[in-house]
Amino acid sequence: AQSVSQHNHHVILSEAASLELGCNYSYGGTVNLFWYVQYPGQHLQLLLKYFSGDPLVKGIKGFEAEFIKSKFSFNLRKPSVQWSDTAEYFCAVPTSGTYKYIFGTGTRLKVLA
Amino acid sequence: DAGITQSPRHKVTETGTPVTLRCHQTENHRYMYWYRQDPGHGLRLIHYSYGVKDTDKGEVSDGYSVSRSKTEDFLLTLESATSSQTSVYFCAISESMASGDNNEQFFGPGTRLTVL
Repeated sequence: AQSVSQHNHHVILSEAASLELGCNYSYGGTVNLFWYVQYPGQHLQLLLKYFSGDPLVKGIKGFEAEFIKSKFSFNLRKPSVQWSDTAEYFCAVPTSGTYKYIFGTGTRLKVLA
Repeated sequence: DAGITQSPRHKVTETGTPVTLRCHQTENHRYMYWYRQDPGHGLRLIHYSYGVKDTDKGEVSDGYSVSRSKTEDFLLTLESATSSQTSVYFCAISESMASGDNNEQFFGPGTRLTVL
């Protein structure tokens, strides 16, 4: 069965620190990968996505993610976090053969001012 | 933001009463989803729809039913609300499930439901 795992459940950083959140998936077919962000009290918003081409994907607010096929990974990065990046981050993939998406369990990021 | 609204945005109800949550979209997207979000559980899929009158169960469908009589509306009904259904409910839509540029999900603002 397809799955998505996020290894970091809670991350605390100081402002200006670099961020890397892990996401691993298990699926051997055509891969589409997403990162969503959920700010406190809000709904999920798309941060970035990969479906083909350059494995380094740039998203909104200075975030980027790198698709590494050999490692089944799609880690989210940001060189310098801000207090406003405090949020929960979800990795997701659409499934094959169904109409569903699989979400990771999420990573809560807290950035200290 | 995609044109997705949810109503009501907040509701408090009593155990045993039926509750219907509405998701309305103006994007004409084919796929619609209902999730619940609870601390420690992330997002869990309740039901989804892949077209008008075409629905299927997700991982936590017990106690819930859905209907989609037209493209723009997807209703979630709690047949007899229980305290375990206290949660935040999110609707989501997607234009396509094919690999490509338009298969991301867009989420509604959520409905906070409290069952006393």
